[in-house]
Amino acid sequence: ETGVTQTPRHLVMGMTNKKSLKCEQHLGHNAMYWYKQSAKKPLELMFVYNFKEQTENNSVPSRFSPECPNSSHLFLHLHTLQPEDSALYLCASSALAEKEQFFGPGTRLTVL
Amino acid sequence: QKEVEQNSGPLSVPEGAIASLNCTYSDRVSQSFFWYRQYSGKSPELIMSIYSNGDKEDGRFTAQLNKASQYVSLLIRDSQPSDSATYLCAVTGFQKLVFGTGTRLLVSP
Repeated sequence: ETGVTQTPRHLVMGMTNKKSLKCEQHLGHNAMYWYKQSAKKPLELMFVYNFKEQTENNSVPSRFSPECPNSSHLFLHLHTLQPEDSALYLCASSALAEKEQFFGPGTRLTVL
Repeated sequence: QKEVEQNSGPLSVPEGAIASLNCTYSDRVSQSFFWYRQYSGKSPELIMSIYSNGDKEDGRFTAQLNKASQYVSLLIRDSQPSDSATYLCAVTGFQKLVFGTGTRLLVSP
């Protein structure tokens, strides 16, 4: 595997379900990010992890819970989501927090 | 004032023309500047980076940076329909990269 991978690529869940999104980077980077992108809208930065420490939480509702067990893996745990949470969830990584970011292919999430 | 500003477009150009995409930023100490291309439903892809004033060319793409005016642009020569996408400008901030909202480019055959 190369670059940044995300699983699953598509996810449909009900509002009472609990699911997790996974991101893995094979680039030796130290910073990882979660973004949300709703249809025809700009990127919204959700969380930043720098050397495994969360350095930014952009007022994200608690129904989204990130986890970064090491510098190569990033998870986004989802529970009791709302239909308006349906979006493309993108993971990215960078060597350092202020360097160029490389994106994974994204997870297309639909909340019913 | 937004940290990174782009015209949302769409910018429409005919095939073969030069497309000019512009971006302004507010943080005077920003050091690194990037252009990403995002096709509909796909993730952003890094296409250009520029760090010093002047022009940087890569194939049909030229990035231009003017730090005094806090302005960065992307020129696409000989535009092709396959260039139709949203182009995101990104600028370094304090321990993070700040993205603009993107300019949608439409290249008509």
